[in-house]
Amino acid sequence: GAGVSQSPRYKVAKRGQDVALRCDPISGHVSLFWYQQALGQGPEFLTYFQNEAQLDKSGLPSDRFFAERPEGSVSTLKIQRTQQEDSAVYLCASSLGWTSEHPYEQYFGPGTRLTVT
Amino acid sequence: QKEVEQDPGPLSVPEGAIVSLNCTYSNSAFQYFMWYRQYSRKGPELLMYTYSSGNKEDGRFTAQVDKSSKYISLFIRDSQPSDSATYLCALCMNTGFQKLVFGTGTRLLVSP
Repeated sequence: GAGVSQSPRYKVAKRGQDVALRCDPISGHVSLFWYQQALGQGPEFLTYFQNEAQLDKSGLPSDRFFAERPEGSVSTLKIQRTQQEDSAVYLCASSLGWTSEHPYEQYFGPGTRLTVT
Repeated sequence: QKEVEQDPGPLSVPEGAIVSLNCTYSNSAFQYFMWYRQYSRKGPELLMYTYSSGNKEDGRFTAQVDKSSKYISLFIRDSQPSDSATYLCALCMNTGFQKLVFGTGTRLLVSP
């Protein structure tokens, strides 16, 4: 079946521009996560949704970062007034959620590589 | 100090070698342990998942967890050039929030 998809795959933004990154999770997956991966580092947690509810946004680095999942399926990560330090790969992951047999198995999309110039 | 420590490598081995990849962690609240493989410019791919101390085997891969030492390992037998990738350990606490805490990743190079 289809995996997690993300778009765009690559995004170049000028400093100060707003960007929106999209994630389509695996159908039926209740939980959705956003991670940020800097070059040569492991992914770092940004935020977590269970259905449409954002239950944890403790990893968002500043109030310029905003995520939503209004209908409990597709999610968008928005970054306002982009800065050079926002350059990274933004990964989306989904899972069946807490009630499944393996709640901690997360499946990742290919990521969006954001470059801020 | 990071919550999860992992040697970034690179680790270079010849084809057919046994590879050992390791992570250490400091917080005993971590109860679930995963290994992901990430090829260049791709998303992480789940390889192994375990929640108890001991060994879990899947084909050429064996995941080992020692909770008393806070040490986890991934062994790859008969390594192949196609195994060349970055291997990430990922840990999760036993809470309703399922965020993963990743190591830095170890880059593995298997030469023919």
